[in-house]
Amino acid sequence: GAVVSQHPSWVICKSGTSVKIECRSLDFQATTMFWYRQFPKQSLMLMATSNEGSKATYEQGVEKDKFLINHASLTLSTLTVTSAHPEDSSFYICSACPSGGQPQHFGDGTRLSIL
Amino acid sequence: GENVEQHPSTLSVQEGDSAVIKCTYSDSASNYFPWYKQELGKGPQLIIDIRSNVGEKKDQRIAVTLNKTAKHFSLHITETQPEDSAVYFCAASKAGGGADGLTFGKGTHLIIQP
Repeated sequence: GAVVSQHPSWVICKSGTSVKIECRSLDFQATTMFWYRQFPKQSLMLMATSNEGSKATYEQGVEKDKFLINHASLTLSTLTVTSAHPEDSSFYICSACPSGGQPQHFGDGTRLSIL
Repeated sequence: GENVEQHPSTLSVQEGDSAVIKCTYSDSASNYFPWYKQELGKGPQLIIDIRSNVGEKKDQRIAVTLNKTAKHFSLHITETQPEDSAVYFCAASKAGGGADGLTFGKGTHLIIQP
């Protein structure tokens, strides 16, 4: 149980393109989902908390207009990287919590490469 | 905010031996401490977690201990096997009654030597 699916798993696109990443909880409902970013050989850094039916909460230093988050249903959150540039290249990982509390279960991540 | 320190960054042990990874945290309000295993190109997988009202928790070959006074917690893996080789992350959060984002340590690359 507690499976989180991310799509796509890998994206390569040109600078200036906007990229949408989906995060789905497959066998449970998640009122809260989280988005993390991980650079190569580094730790995961929390970017934002996604709340179903309300605005996301962003961590300090994360541009909300750059990383648009939508959590329209209890099983789906999306992250859109707008006008992506090479420095946005990273591994983006989402997580979700069954029953609104810990533990968090993670998806397998999306590797984003901006040329 | 919370700061989590993790040591060592790399740990090499012989198959069958034990491995210990240690973490410290800074925010005394943190009360939830999970450990994740991450394999190359994949998302982190929860292996064990502990809440602040418990000092120790065990699940087969894996155990976690927590010292709230000293603000540190440790992961113990016994009888290590080659499939235990991965990067392990500790994390902390204020779980409270709902979900809260995790602050991760920098990770430990565990290498099991056959």
